[in-house]
Amino acid sequence: ETGVTQTPRHLVMGMTNKKSLKCEQHLGHNAMYWYKQSAKKPLELMFVYSLEERVENNSVPSRFSPECPNSSHLFLHLHTLQPEDSALYLCASSQSSPGRHNSPLHFGNGTRLTVT
Amino acid sequence: AQSVTQLGSHVSVSEGALVLLRCNYSSSVPPYLFWYVQYPNQGLQLLLKYTTGATLVKGINGFEAEFKKSETSFHLTKPSAHMSDAAEYFCAVSDINDFGNEKLTFGTGTRLTIIP
Repeated sequence: ETGVTQTPRHLVMGMTNKKSLKCEQHLGHNAMYWYKQSAKKPLELMFVYSLEERVENNSVPSRFSPECPNSSHLFLHLHTLQPEDSALYLCASSQSSPGRHNSPLHFGNGTRLTVT
Repeated sequence: AQSVTQLGSHVSVSEGALVLLRCNYSSSVPPYLFWYVQYPNQGLQLLLKYTTGATLVKGINGFEAEFKKSETSFHLTKPSAHMSDAAEYFCAVSDINDFGNEKLTFGTGTRLTIIP
């Protein structure tokens, strides 16, 4: 059983819709991540939050907007998406220590997003 | 620059046969190395990791990997494949840059099929 829970598991949305993905971790970690997984491409890191502050944003389009209200919850707000944004969106958490390796990532089961 | 190469996007082995999944990496500093497994409709799960010390590391489900610095490799093996091993496997490398920031890079994955 995963300590990282993502909802919903599946989401179909039109290009004009606004929706949000939710992630919750029960592992006591202090860092949370959003990754995008597309077919035949490496896992793409989108956003990193450490101690509730965004520490990395890998040139992600503004139609993706993250929110981290506390160390256990992470959201990804979606609006005016494009069909090429269809993918599996994975949330992960870890224990971050500045200047040292983080603990290995713990992933949720992902949200399968389809943009029509 | 840090990179990971997984040779073979698809590997098929017979049940009971040796599993060998290849991973080569590049890193300018001593890396941490990981193998993750992703079963259908699930997120990634840590299989094993190399940090320091013994170069042969054992993971879950009978898998092991050997860190070979001279070959910059971290191949994943299992002596006898089981049907339940069918999944996608991701190699990843992590290092700390001069600014004390960790960077984690995933390979493109290898899909393992087990032939009955």
